[in-house]
Amino acid sequence: DGGITQSPKYLFRKEGQNVTLSCEQNLNHDAMYWYRQDPGQGLRLIYYSQIVNDFQKGDIAEGYSVSREKKESLPLTVTSAQKNPTAFYLCASSRLATMVGETQYFGPGTRLLVL
Amino acid sequence: AQSVAQPEDQVNVAEGNPLTVKCTYSVSGNPYLFWYVQYPNRGLQFLLKYITGDNLVKGSYGFEAEFNKSQTSFHLKKPSALVSDSALYFCAVRDAGVDGGYQKVTFGTGTKLQVIP
Repeated sequence: DGGITQSPKYLFRKEGQNVTLSCEQNLNHDAMYWYRQDPGQGLRLIYYSQIVNDFQKGDIAEGYSVSREKKESLPLTVTSAQKNPTAFYLCASSRLATMVGETQYFGPGTRLLVL
Repeated sequence: AQSVAQPEDQVNVAEGNPLTVKCTYSVSGNPYLFWYVQYPNRGLQFLLKYITGDNLVKGSYGFEAEFNKSQTSFHLKKPSALVSDSALYFCAVRDAGVDGGYQKVTFGTGTKLQVIP
């Protein structure tokens, strides 16, 4: 899982609650990403950030938010507007988002469950 | 729009036999192709990638993949499977496009490899 850490490993959310997933990288990468993984659906992009203080919506951003105040960190907030949040969440990083040959490296993931 | 297909949900192979996990892709330009492996409740680990050059790409843990432009395929292979290779394998594609603009990575739905002792 390289130099990317995600916490917590498991997270439980109550109805109407916002929760935040942590992602930190020490790879000195400029770009960071959040993906959602559901069984049989592969990975879907939630948000990505190419540089500090900048982020862009991915394919399934509704009900999620991010911030990029530090190069090393891209926390993901799952808001109460996300009606089906149960999934495995993966954070990734790469040197640059705009160099298409760049490899994305992944963290160990956070499993979010709804109580 | 780019896409990637992994036609087999699961592949079973006996330990010591060669294995192949299939991947086909569709892009408008030139493809950049990746293989990742995921063990249960873990993140994805990078195995190998094709950018340009030799069609046979060698990667980690004895895996290799062959890029076939005419068949738009990028199958993952290993000459002799190990029980420890049992995992979920993802193929991914990115359109070469133009550097300087963001081009997302599209992942396949994954193929579960089961190596039988």
